Amino acid sequence: EAGVVQSPRYKIIEKKQPVAFWCNPISGHNTLYWYRQNLGQGPELLIRYENEEAVDDSQLPKDRFSAERLKGVDSTLKIQPAELGDSAVYLCASSLGYQETQYFGPGTRLLVL
Amino acid sequence: GENVEQHPSTLSVQEGDSAVIKCTYSDSASNYFPWYKQELGKRPQLIIDIRSNVGEKKDQRIAVTLNKTAKHFSLHITETQPEDSAVYFCAASSLYNFNKFYFGSGTKLNVKP
Repeated sequence: EAGVVQSPRYKIIEKKQPVAFWCNPISGHNTLYWYRQNLGQGPELLIRYENEEAVDDSQLPKDRFSAERLKGVDSTLKIQPAELGDSAVYLCASSLGYQETQYFGPGTRLLVL
Repeated sequence: GENVEQHPSTLSVQEGDSAVIKCTYSDSASNYFPWYKQELGKRPQLIIDIRSNVGEKKDQRIAVTLNKTAKHFSLHITETQPEDSAVYFCAASSLYNFNKFYFGSGTKLNVKP
């Protein structure tokens, strides 16, 4: 069984540029999470999807971040414009349902210069 | 909202000794408490979880205990091995507050051979 797939694995951009991350969850997993992990810290949940619905995006900085999960499968997280403080690892995870085992993708390491 | 605190931030033990990592949470509605292991440069992986209807759960050398009254839960690793060296994260979530899935700040465990 394929795991959670994320791309790109690494991204270097200049501040004020846009960037997008893509996630393909494990087949059949209804719940999808986007996290941000800063160096030396635990993952911080940005948004959770149940199928195609964003259950709560209260921790997503909406002035510059957006996300979508069309057809309840793949998901895209976008930052526009990026700021220096956005440098982090962006992790996607999926699970069969809420409070079921989460499987994480390899993450996208973003560096904003 | 939920506040998950994790201690210690670093822990060094001799191979064969036991290691204990503790977490406290603030939201009395939290009912699911997973533990993740993250090796350097890799994705977090679930190692054990516990739900609020039980007080203890064991899986070979790993055990988790939960004290709902005191709002704390702990990870116990016995007979530690060098391959146990990693960063361990606790997390807490509630069914009653959507999107409330919070991670602790992590404990870096070093098992010395």
